[in-house]
Amino acid sequence: DGGITQSPKYLFRKEGQNVTLSCEQNLNHDAMYWYRQDPGQGLRLIYYSQIVNDFQKGDIAEGYSVSREKKESFPLTVTSAQKNPTAFYLCASSIADKPFYEQYFGPGTRLTVT
Amino acid sequence: AQSVTQLGSHVSVSEGALVLLRCNYSSSVPPYLFWYVQYPNQGLQLLLKYTSAATLVKGINGFEAEFKKSETSFHLTKPSAHMSDAAEYFCAVSVYYNQGGKLIFGQGTELSVKP
Repeated sequence: DGGITQSPKYLFRKEGQNVTLSCEQNLNHDAMYWYRQDPGQGLRLIYYSQIVNDFQKGDIAEGYSVSREKKESFPLTVTSAQKNPTAFYLCASSIADKPFYEQYFGPGTRLTVT
Repeated sequence: AQSVTQLGSHVSVSEGALVLLRCNYSSSVPPYLFWYVQYPNQGLQLLLKYTSAATLVKGINGFEAEFKKSETSFHLTKPSAHMSDAAEYFCAVSVYYNQGGKLIFGQGTELSVKP
């Protein structure tokens, strides 16, 4: 079964710690994305990658970092510099980074920082 | 700048009633439009998309949406609501951005279905 996996489903961290969220896809998609979802605010783009070894900042990249060393993997690190990291994080992928291609989403990781 | 407005953060219907979820977009170029559904604590699933072919688009689970350029709207409908339709629905517009695409989401509409 092709799809996107995100792990873990729930993640708890203490303030001041960095944490890495995993995202893996076996759809052979070139483009991958990270979104943050907060209640009543829709989804906001954090980072995206059009191709391996390349990525760009989205609308709310401050306090986050990513890497794209493999086509199938796009991990997101939430650093201690992110002021309000508690949120639901969604990873997505697309055949290519073109507006007429739909994005496929993973099941999400809920991060709670206390 | 492109944007999406979903009218009504919460819509409640009775089982068997018509579902109408409203979406208006702002775009200076012909848009690509999408509707996604999200069940609690899950990712988003594509319901349907408009990519400038037919203006009436049919999707999964009996949903459809009509693209109306004159009204800049892309409302989602279903003739008869089912309890399993209770979820959050997101309208999104996709535009060219930085030699690629960018998906801009509305704030979502939560649909409740009463028995």
